[in-house]
Amino acid sequence: EIVMTQSPATLSVSPGETATLSCRASQSVRSNLAWYQQKPGQAPRLLIYGASTRPAIIPARFSGSGSGTDFTLTISSLQSEDFAVYYCQQYNSWPSLTFGGGTKVEIK
Amino acid sequence: QVQLVQSGAEVKKPGASVKISCKASGYTFTSYYIHWVRQAPGQGLEWLGMINPSSGSPSSAQRFQGRVTMTGDTSASTVDMELSGLESGDTATYYCATGYGYAEYWGQGTLVTVSS
Repeated sequence: EIVMTQSPATLSVSPGETATLSCRASQSVRSNLAWYQQKPGQAPRLLIYGASTRPAIIPARFSGSGSGTDFTLTISSLQSEDFAVYYCQQYNSWPSLTFGGGTKVEIK
Repeated sequence: QVQLVQSGAEVKKPGASVKISCKASGYTFTSYYIHWVRQAPGQGLEWLGMINPSSGSPSSAQRFQGRVTMTGDTSASTVDMELSGLESGDTATYYCATGYGYAEYWGQGTLVTVSS
């Protein structure tokens, strides 16, 4: 099973600043990586797939990069609604999928 | 618009089984996989498995093999997920979601509580 490790566990950021979240895979997942945002009491929301592709509804301040084993989610100019938990998920080992443990982005 | 509507909350005793339904609308049901993901209270996301509604072929995470059963009804655009041999550690919110390898649309979640 591919293990996904996210860091840091918690990230304290001031509104308007940039948040950089990391996700590492235990083996190459090529570009088969997705990012999700989850707010308390809500279902997760897809932010990024294919490591760097945003669905049309997702604001441009969310961007993803990386391939192979190291990936980054960057949130530019953090808005109040961006404070949430973020998960990465690999789908390279289809049909076995795995999530990372999550990064909580909190207000500094 | 794409919607996934799940059945309501359940309370089960240890050793019992639970079946959760997920009804899809707003897209061609057989075009995308249905995934099942759970989240224990205060914990992260865990993938249980998925089913191809077109073929009815399921695939589950190794740790749930033998305990999870997924079935689809194309006439009703519904997928059911049954988890057997429930333990307290199965207490979680269970989500269905649709997509390919990633989950683009999610249901509202179903809370399953396992308690004696």
